[in-house]
Amino acid sequence: DAMVIQNPRYQVTQFGKPVTLSCSQTLNHNVMYWYQQKSSQAPKLLFHYYDKDFNNEADTPDNFQSRRPNTSFCFLDIRSPGLGDAAMYLCATSGGTEAFFGQGTRLTVV
Amino acid sequence: RKEVEQDPGPFNVPEGATVAFNCTYSNSASQSFFWYRQDCRKEPKLLMSVYSSGNEDGRFTAQLNRASQYISLLIRDSKLSDSATYLCVVERGSQGNLIFGKGTKLSVKP
Repeated sequence: DAMVIQNPRYQVTQFGKPVTLSCSQTLNHNVMYWYQQKSSQAPKLLFHYYDKDFNNEADTPDNFQSRRPNTSFCFLDIRSPGLGDAAMYLCATSGGTEAFFGQGTRLTVV
Repeated sequence: RKEVEQDPGPFNVPEGATVAFNCTYSNSASQSFFWYRQDCRKEPKLLMSVYSSGNEDGRFTAQLNRASQYISLLIRDSKLSDSATYLCVVERGSQGNLIFGKGTKLSVKP
């Protein structure tokens, strides 16, 4: 029944080792978002896709990249994870009204 | 100035109390407004959209004042299950950038 699925739920990666987080949706929504949320902080928008159009937030580090090969899937690539990148990464989709979130991937950097 | 600002909280209230959360936004071109609820270590979920005319859903009432760029959420007859973080969310522009406030933590005590 899950409509926005994120894999894995928990990811441990080594400092500097590239890591990819994935998100899929069954809602056929045209907008997909990636947010970073650190403890006791608001979800911070990293970037979003409107269909194939990629929109990067001005303060998103170059270390973060994204791919959306089709409507259903979206990936977050962290090229060289640092300790400060440890956080919950939330994927969300929207068809024009509310946004639906996945359960998130909690990233630990060791 | 942050795009979306909320009462810092936390709010600690007894069961049955009425509690109000406030939120201001800086972008006068913002189109849509929402309140989301986030439980500890879970993803945000839509509580209600906010309309200029004000809207009510059971014990919850949301108000929008476009002139003052101000959004509010009123919870009446608080329940233990209302304990969560309440996030004010503003849609920036027409392509769906959802910007989150930092959130206000509510703790309802017996």
